[in-house]
Amino acid sequence: YVLTQSPSVSVAPGQTARVTCGGNDIGSKSVHWYQQKPGQAPVLVVHDDTDRPSGIPERFSGSNSGNTATLTISRVEAGDEADYYCQVWDSNTDQRLIFGGGTKLTVL
Amino acid sequence: QVQLVESGGGLVKPGGSLRLSCAASGFAFTDYYMSWVRQAPGKGLEWIGYISSGGGVVYYAHSMKGRFTISRDNAKTSLFLQMNSLRADDTAVYYCARLVVSADSDYFDFWGQGALVTV
Repeated sequence: YVLTQSPSVSVAPGQTARVTCGGNDIGSKSVHWYQQKPGQAPVLVVHDDTDRPSGIPERFSGSNSGNTATLTISRVEAGDEADYYCQVWDSNTDQRLIFGGGTKLTVL
Repeated sequence: QVQLVESGGGLVKPGGSLRLSCAASGFAFTDYYMSWVRQAPGKGLEWIGYISSGGGVVYYAHSMKGRFTISRDNAKTSLFLQMNSLRADDTAVYYCARLVVSADSDYFDFWGQGALVTV
């Protein structure tokens, strides 16, 4: 099972960023999102398509339907600049826990 | 608070072995599956495998089978990754991560800071 992410997304501060994750019928799976800033470990920002862990701002939200899952970051701040990875669990493959290739979010 | 601290990384020659450790604290270690994930320089995240809370079940990504072994010591709240026959393409930062397991929806809720392995 392959998850496809655009390599990069750019957005001005205060605008809305959308990071997409494509996969065959991904809407039938639960999608999780991680933020990774340079030199740091990944941080979970959305799990199970739409749920935010404690401490993650409400500006981060997720959706998932059809063949595309989306992480939406509202009112983007300079501190949101990072790589974002989607991830799913797939029982039908040896890989089981699958990551997308990552999207670099640049805040202009 | 949840803390995962990796150790044991370093420089190793091709064909060599290395054992990484991950010291866990701040949560009930025996209640959780644990996992290893790696990231080659400038590349994305790659899942290595997981181990069940009691240690009785270990599952590896297909490409990781044979050279990597995951184990845990619940008495010492520690997770381990034994790596053998290392190759240049095993050069990466290796992360220990706590795995939340639920029906069709496993994910990593906490990560360590990573250990760099250079082959």
